[in-house]
Amino acid sequence: EAQVTQNPRYLITVTGKKLTVTCSQNMNHEYMSWYRQDPGLGLRQIYYSMNVEVTDKGDVPEGYKVSRKEKRNFPLILESPSPNQTSLYFCASRSREVGTEAFFGQGTRLTVV
Amino acid sequence: DAKTTQPPSMDCAEGRAANLPCNHSTISGNEYVYWYRQIHSQGPQYIIHGLKNNETNEMASLIITEDRKSSTLILPHATLRDTAVYYCIVKARGYSGAGSYQLTFGKGTKLSVIP
Repeated sequence: EAQVTQNPRYLITVTGKKLTVTCSQNMNHEYMSWYRQDPGLGLRQIYYSMNVEVTDKGDVPEGYKVSRKEKRNFPLILESPSPNQTSLYFCASRSREVGTEAFFGQGTRLTVV
Repeated sequence: DAKTTQPPSMDCAEGRAANLPCNHSTISGNEYVYWYRQIHSQGPQYIIHGLKNNETNEMASLIITEDRKSSTLILPHATLRDTAVYYCIVKARGYSGAGSYQLTFGKGTKLSVIP
């Protein structure tokens, strides 16, 4: 089954404690991205990756890092989380082929206290 | 990518067809119309997309006007499980530079299916 898997689904952490949210896809997609969703602000892109070792900033990259060492994995790293990073996070993947759809993970609800 | 306009909310009776409009008057010739939905706080789910011809799949139908300036997503027999926020996104096909694979989600239409 084609899927994007995020872990963990829920996380409560304290300010400043480094954390990583993992994302893995099994569709051999070139393109992967991270979004955060906040009430009233909708879905906003944090970082994206066109392929292995190719990443770039989205609309709200501050406070986040990513890496793309393997095609299937695209972890989101918060080196020093702060309460304003409390949000619902989604990972997505998509093929480079013309007119294809994006697949989204089930989300990670992060609370930073 | 062209901007889209959708009504903020709509109601539909269970079992009836839900018709969700989207305006994309600045769409260009190489841009697809995509529809996604988000049920509660789950990950967005792809529904359908089209370029200029009407499209139908197991979930929905997409009607695009001849001038391509607007489209309608049709859920033929809405059920309670179709209650969700529906997003209309216009996206150029292929790669045309950095960020071109980014999906820009607006506020969408919150569809409430009523028993």
